[in-house]
Amino acid sequence: ETGVTQTPRHLVMGMTNKKSLKCEQHLGHNAMYWYKQSAKKPLELMFVYSLEERVENNSVPSRFSPECPNSSHLFLHLHTLQPEDSALYLCASSQDVGEQFFGPGTRLTVL
Amino acid sequence: GENVEQHPSTLSVQEGDSAVIKCTYSDSASNYFPWYKQELGKRPQLIIDIRSNVGEKKDQRIAVTLNKTAKHFSLHITETQPEDSAVYFCAACMDTGRRALTFGSGTRLQVQP
Repeated sequence: ETGVTQTPRHLVMGMTNKKSLKCEQHLGHNAMYWYKQSAKKPLELMFVYSLEERVENNSVPSRFSPECPNSSHLFLHLHTLQPEDSALYLCASSQDVGEQFFGPGTRLTVL
Repeated sequence: GENVEQHPSTLSVQEGDSAVIKCTYSDSASNYFPWYKQELGKRPQLIIDIRSNVGEKKDQRIAVTLNKTAKHFSLHITETQPEDSAVYFCAACMDTGRRALTFGSGTRLQVQP
């Protein structure tokens, strides 16, 4: 698959679980992003990585932990989440400041 | 930081009519303004963008205008079609340094056939 891919597409977890979301971009971009999309805040930026270095952490709780091992991969590690963390988590990539290409998202439900 | 406000939150038009969505931003240093369209159940996709060195940009039925003095920009869709029904997001950022887009809250456009 080309473009930006995300796995899993759906995830149900309990509040005590630990899980990880994965994003992969096949576009040769140098920046990657995590967004949270919910009814309350339609597109909320969480983290920005530029050249594998985190350049922005938008006041996200520590129960969300990002990891960017290389320019093509981005992870979001989840632990002890709350029900209000249930949302669609979107990954995106771009080359410098330009068009952001979004992945299909992971629909997360926290029970 | 940047703050982007978008209006209206919902918009319903008849097929063939025009639709206008407006956004304001707070940071005068912002100089890149994209618009994204998100159809139901799909990912957001860029439909048009404008940089601050121009005041207007057109692409077929879609146009974006920018007023840097007033710090607002607008999306214009002419001859709307049912497939234009979606949520539209405006965004703003600087094209140097901080790369993160600040998105507006979205406008749900419904085109009635």
